[in-house]
Amino acid sequence: SQQGEEDPQALSIQEGENATMNCSYKTSINNLQWYRQNSGRGLVHLILIRSNEREKHSGRLRVTLDTSKKSSSLLITASRAADTASYFCATDEDTGRRALTFGSGTRLQVQP
Amino acid sequence: NAGVMQNPRHLVRRRGQEARLRCSPMKGHSHVYWYRQLPEEGLKFMVYLQKENIIDESGMPKERFSAEFPKEGPSILRIQQVVRGDSAAYFCASSPGIGPYGYTFGSGTRLTVV
Repeated sequence: SQQGEEDPQALSIQEGENATMNCSYKTSINNLQWYRQNSGRGLVHLILIRSNEREKHSGRLRVTLDTSKKSSSLLITASRAADTASYFCATDEDTGRRALTFGSGTRLQVQP
Repeated sequence: NAGVMQNPRHLVRRRGQEARLRCSPMKGHSHVYWYRQLPEEGLKFMVYLQKENIIDESGMPKERFSAEFPKEGPSILRIQQVVRGDSAAYFCASSPGIGPYGYTFGSGTRLTVV
């Protein structure tokens, strides 16, 4: 399986609920990033967490990182219909590869 | 301050033709990355360039694909003799350098090979 796999592949929730997406990876990393992609558009950077950080917040977003388990989670609180999008994790690997490696994404649908 | 500019947004080519995709990075960014995305899939890394240098092309097919980032002008991803399997969205991203930076993405070029 590939570096940066998100789980679940698809998630449907009601407006106001929280959405949690998980990402697992295989190699050592310098940092891990989360991006959002609206249908037919480019990716937008949401948040970056460094390998020596365990948790980070930005508005309604909360990201955790567990380097011992090689996993990260993205929590979106009080979701809105406008949060409907695909969410991707991306790893900056500590392997000499000097470009981000993206996962296959979680497609989030927030029902109004 | 314009973001990453990609053109064209949509490109239709017949099998065997050449496709040229352009990317102007964000002002102040000297690192450019090209990714390919198939429908309902994630982004696959193709190539990473700095001005006049290819840093990592490990994700790019050995044949028919090439990329450049000249001293002046945009970065170009060139696909020669396109085949139907080349149909995809091609995204360019830029960053100010190596380190804990997020990428700024363009809106992509959707290539359709007919």
